[in-house]
Amino acid sequence: AQSVTQPDIHITVSEGASLELRCNYSYGATPYLFWYVQSPGQGLQLLLKYFSGDTLVQGIKGFEAEFKRSQSSFNLRKPSVHWSDAAEYFCAVGFNNDMRFGAGTRLTVKP
Amino acid sequence: DGGITQSPKYLFRKEGQNVTLSCEQNLNHDAMYWYRQDPGQGLRLIYYSQIVNDFQKGDIAEGYSVSREKKESFPLTVTSAQKNPTAFYLCASSIVGTRNYNEQFFGPGTRLTVL
Repeated sequence: AQSVTQPDIHITVSEGASLELRCNYSYGATPYLFWYVQSPGQGLQLLLKYFSGDTLVQGIKGFEAEFKRSQSSFNLRKPSVHWSDAAEYFCAVGFNNDMRFGAGTRLTVKP
Repeated sequence: DGGITQSPKYLFRKEGQNVTLSCEQNLNHDAMYWYRQDPGQGLRLIYYSQIVNDFQKGDIAEGYSVSREKKESFPLTVTSAQKNPTAFYLCASSIVGTRNYNEQFFGPGTRLTVL
């Protein structure tokens, strides 16, 4: 069955520290890959997306993600976290007009 | 300013009542979607529509209904048959192009609470 897994429900990092949020997918072929961010009570905002080409993609707000086909992963990274990055992050995969979302990872940023 | 609007932001309903959530977009997107979000479960697809006057059920369509009479509007009705309707509802839209899948743009959401 097609699925998206975000193994970490909640992550806490200190402001200025690096961040990596994990995403693994299970699909029969390489899907299109997305990361979204959601502030409390708000809609989702697209951070970045991967369709093809360079496996390291840059997004907004200083985020980047790397697609690793061999690991079926699309992990999100940021070298230095800011307090305003505290939010919920969703990985999503799309294939043949079907989009699936992971359960989300909630990020807390300590001062 | 192009975007997706959802109204109302907060909605309260008594048990046994139907309620309709509004979703409007001025992005000229052909496809529109409704998702339900519950804590710890991510987003689950309720219904989607890729063209006016046509729509398909998603994974959790039971107890919901939709219409797509206009390209820019995709209202969702939560009926009394939905056993647990309290949730956050998100509307999204996307183009329908040559790629297999296109990114979705989301509205701000409507929080529905059944009293």
